[in-house]
Amino acid sequence: DSGVTQTPKHLITATGQRVTLRCSPRSGDLSVYWYQQSLDQGLQFLIQYYNGEERAKGNILERFSAQQFPDLHSELNLSSLELGDSALYFCASSDGTGATEAFFGQGTRLTVV
Amino acid sequence: GEDVEQSLFLSVREGDSSVINCTYTDSSSTYLYWYKQEPGAGLQLLTYIFSNMDMKQDQRLTVLLNKKDKHLSLRIADTQTGDSAIYFCAERAWGSASKIIFGSGTRLSIRP
Repeated sequence: DSGVTQTPKHLITATGQRVTLRCSPRSGDLSVYWYQQSLDQGLQFLIQYYNGEERAKGNILERFSAQQFPDLHSELNLSSLELGDSALYFCASSDGTGATEAFFGQGTRLTVV
Repeated sequence: GEDVEQSLFLSVREGDSSVINCTYTDSSSTYLYWYKQEPGAGLQLLTYIFSNMDMKQDQRLTVLLNKKDKHLSLRIADTQTGDSAIYFCAERAWGSASKIIFGSGTRLSIRP
């Protein structure tokens, strides 16, 4: 158990809908990262938050947004969903004080039908 | 920009050594990681190396870093069926709050 909790584990929704994925980082971790893993595209970095502020942005679509709350949990919002958004979405956290690794949650599998 | 590249597939015979290669572009990379993802699971850190090191050994795992060529490799000795997984190379620049960039992953399959 990495200590990073993601909910829900599975999500099935229709095209055009909006969903929210939630991530609770390890206790004390300040940095949260979101990644998308598709079958054919490996692991794509989406966005990083550090202590409530956006720190880095990767290949995140405009239809997607994220935030990190004062209690450090984070949410990834996906809107106007398309079939191609079906993927595993991973959250990772690190302590932001010099730790060398990021700890990953088990992921949320999103299926858009 | 930052980019990490890996070959997509590797097949080895059980008991042989596996060597998974990775190249990266960011010369400011300070930490280089190998993560393992088993089917249906999240990523788990296998090992990491600082950019001022050339080699790191941890039981069956050996990491080699050629900083000049920006080439990283992971050698798994005596490969077992339990080593079947996707292996991700990742880099991280200096600074505790910097982002981590992953390669596309190498799927390692083991032949009997």
